[in-house]
Amino acid sequence: SQTIHQWPATLVQPVGSPLSLECTVEGTSNPNLYWYRQAAGRGLQLLFYSVGIGQISSEVPQNLSASRPQDRQFILSSKKLLLSDSGFYLCAWRGASGGSGQYFGPGTRLTVT
Amino acid sequence: AQSVAQPEDQVNVAEGNPLTVKCTYSVSGNPYLFWYVQYPNRGLQFLLKYITGDNLVKGSYGFEAEFNKSQTSFHLKKPSALVSDSALYFCAVRDGGSYIPTFGRGTSLIVHP
Repeated sequence: SQTIHQWPATLVQPVGSPLSLECTVEGTSNPNLYWYRQAAGRGLQLLFYSVGIGQISSEVPQNLSASRPQDRQFILSSKKLLLSDSGFYLCAWRGASGGSGQYFGPGTRLTVT
Repeated sequence: AQSVAQPEDQVNVAEGNPLTVKCTYSVSGNPYLFWYVQYPNRGLQFLLKYITGDNLVKGSYGFEAEFNKSQTSFHLKKPSALVSDSALYFCAVRDGGSYIPTFGRGTSLIVHP
């Protein structure tokens, strides 16, 4: 069966510090991968998605970046965090078949102080 | 272009009563429709999907959803609500040819004992 891991679960970082969040998927190959941010108001904002190694599409211009160094690894990074980067970050994967739904990781709660 | 609307921020229902969480959508191609549930501080969990076929789709935890093409709706239903069903519910739509789903803003379901 497939599983998705995210770490860390919680993170408190000062403004201006770097960020690295990691997501890995097991039990599948060539998944579509996604990074979302969920603010306190509940809505999901798509940040990045990837359909293959090294292929990253950005949905929102900001100080975040993403990389996919391996087929089942997706990394969200920032060189300098802003207060507005606080939120709940969710990684998700979807199978390559057209009708597949998304499967989400447990999330990372980021607080920028 | 694709969009989804969840017209109710919150739905309140008594335990044992039937529940409905509403969702309407707009998509230019064939709609792929999904429901997810989110418990506090957790990732979203896939509940069910409609791709094609029978308009009534059955999913996890006793939930079902009815696809109505003429009304462009995909309402989530359950015959008898449980207190443990209290959570945030998201509807999502994806054009069949797209990698990116669009999520609704979410509906908070509160089931009273």
